[in-house]
Amino acid sequence: DAKTTQPNSMESNEEEPVHLPCNHSTISGTDYIHWYRQLPSQGPEYVIHGLTSNVNNRMASLAIAEDRKSSTLILHRATLRDAAVYYCILANFNKFYFGSGTKLNVKP
Amino acid sequence: DSGVTQTPKHLITATGQRVTLRCSPRSGDLSVYWYQQSLDQGLQFLIHYYNGEERAKGNILERFSAQQFPDLHSELNLSSLELGDSALYFCASSARETQYFGPGTRLLVL
Repeated sequence: DAKTTQPNSMESNEEEPVHLPCNHSTISGTDYIHWYRQLPSQGPEYVIHGLTSNVNNRMASLAIAEDRKSSTLILHRATLRDAAVYYCILANFNKFYFGSGTKLNVKP
Repeated sequence: DSGVTQTPKHLITATGQRVTLRCSPRSGDLSVYWYQQSLDQGLQFLIHYYNGEERAKGNILERFSAQQFPDLHSELNLSSLELGDSALYFCASSARETQYFGPGTRLLVL
């Protein structure tokens, strides 16, 4: 099974950008890179996904390395509501393999 | 609100018992996924159904089974329950690549 590696925790100041890294050195050519986040007592929530090119949406940006062995989720202006566990996931044929995630703490 | 509903929200039962967890996907979604989230194992993919057929299996124990019905709702059956089965069970539905998760069922086995 493909695996991802993320830092256990990160801290950010409110209204500053946050870069959440993820390593996935065993990624295969058909794996999509997904990011989900989980707020306390809730189910995971979709953030963004991509295959090879960088992606932007209203929530975040996803920067994918040229060799696809790493990616970075970028929150452009962190808010207190962004405090959550962020999961970087490799998805292959609709199988999602969650890593241990990064707990993001946002300071006011 | 993701549009995915799960019942019950909480379930307390004893070892050796059998329980059924229910999931209703978002309107129009044909895929349903089940996940288990425990403190020591994190979020683990269990099984995926598409339009009534099993499509993929993850780390699902033989004591666990699932099915998806013609109206697309799904049930996860857990039998011969053990203390270690205590966890949050999530289902998710999808139409394309994005999965939408329900609020989960918290199972406590005593």
